[in-house]
Amino acid sequence: GAGVSQSPSNKVTEKGKDVELRCDPISGHTALYWYRQSLGQGLEFLIYFQGNSAPDKSGLPSDRFSAERTGGSVSTLTIQRTQQEDSAVYLCASSLQRTYEQYFGPGTRLTVT
Amino acid sequence: AQKVTQAQTEISVVEKEDVTLDCVYETRDTTYYLFWYKQPPSGELVFLIRRNSFDEQNEISGRYSWNFQKSTSSFNFTITASQVVDSAVYFCALSDYSGAGSYQLTFGKGTKLSVIP
Repeated sequence: GAGVSQSPSNKVTEKGKDVELRCDPISGHTALYWYRQSLGQGLEFLIYFQGNSAPDKSGLPSDRFSAERTGGSVSTLTIQRTQQEDSAVYLCASSLQRTYEQYFGPGTRLTVT
Repeated sequence: AQKVTQAQTEISVVEKEDVTLDCVYETRDTTYYLFWYKQPPSGELVFLIRRNSFDEQNEISGRYSWNFQKSTSSFNFTITASQVVDSAVYFCALSDYSGAGSYQLTFGKGTKLSVIP
């Protein structure tokens, strides 16, 4: 079946601009996670969605970051007023339930110039 | 707080050699889950295995095997008769309830394995 998909695969933006990253999880997966992978920080958790429950935003690095999940499916991660330190690969993962294995998408490589 | 340590940053082996990747974890929870993921040069993280804290049985899948020892908080991964296609970065990860019960993955820094033909 179809895996997790993310778009765009690459995004180059100027410092100060806003960006939106999209994630389509595996059909039927109720749990959705966003992570960030950078050379300096490794793989870091950003935010978690489970069904219609309030998201766990504890990993978001600043209030410039926000995310939503519509209809329990597609999710969008928004970064406002991008900074150079936001440059990283943003990964989305989904799982059947929160304790199950997570399946990752190919990621969006964000470069802030 | 939870933590995963992969002390080996890079390993090089010659094809057909066996190689073990080490993983040590820290958690205060009694119920937790351990994972290994592979990240080949193409970049996508590939799930390999999930174990829960109550199941210490070792597992074998083809050339891959995993050794889980709660007494030493370790979850090591062995590749037998390595192949060039095994070249990748391997991540060990832990999920537990800490925080809001999201069971997000806490990753180690990864071990880069290079298999030389």
